[in-house]
Amino acid sequence: ETGVTQSPTHLIKTRGQQVTLRCSSQSGHNTVSWYQQALGQGPQFIFQYYREEENGRGNFPPRFSGLQFPNYSSELNVNALELDDSALYLCASSLAVQGNTEAFFGQGTRLTVV
Amino acid sequence: AQSVTQPDIHITVSEGASLELRCNYSYGATPYLFWYVQSPGQGLQLLLKYFSGDTLVQGIKGFEAEFKRSQSSFNLRKPSVHWSDAAEYFCAVGREGGYQKVTFGTGTKLQVIP
Repeated sequence: ETGVTQSPTHLIKTRGQQVTLRCSSQSGHNTVSWYQQALGQGPQFIFQYYREEENGRGNFPPRFSGLQFPNYSSELNVNALELDDSALYLCASSLAVQGNTEAFFGQGTRLTVV
Repeated sequence: AQSVTQPDIHITVSEGASLELRCNYSYGATPYLFWYVQSPGQGLQLLLKYFSGDTLVQGIKGFEAEFKRSQSSFNLRKPSVHWSDAAEYFCAVGREGGYQKVTFGTGTKLQVIP
């Protein structure tokens, strides 16, 4: 049990719709990262939020966007869903201090786009 | 750009046998290296990490890994595998600080036979 919770656990959406995934970070953590894990693949870095600002982004289009709130929880929003967006979306929280890079992952949200 | 290669997609071992999972990385400086384990439909659990110092790192569940800079490798080992170790294992490379992009390999699926 990592203390990182994601909701919902499963979701089915139609192509073209929009979706919002949520993540509550572990207590005391100020950084949240989002990853997309397609079936049979390793997780791919989407972006990271640090103190409510985007702090780095992977190779994902702008229709993937996010927010981090003052309590450090976070949302991942995906617009204009495509079939290829079907994946497990993982949130990881960490405390961004010198010398520490350990990230704790949630159980993920399984998104299916039909 | 940082990258990770896990050359073995599937590995099958007998319960009680030893295990070694291979990982090679590409990174421009001293890497921060991780091994994660993922059970079906679950998030990622950190097994061990290497930041600096002793190149032989001990982790949870009896796992260890050795960092070999000359070979750009960070192989995971366990002297005696248990049936509960069956899962997918991901090697990852990241870096310190607020921007903690972690790049994962494609994973090695471990099957344990009686």
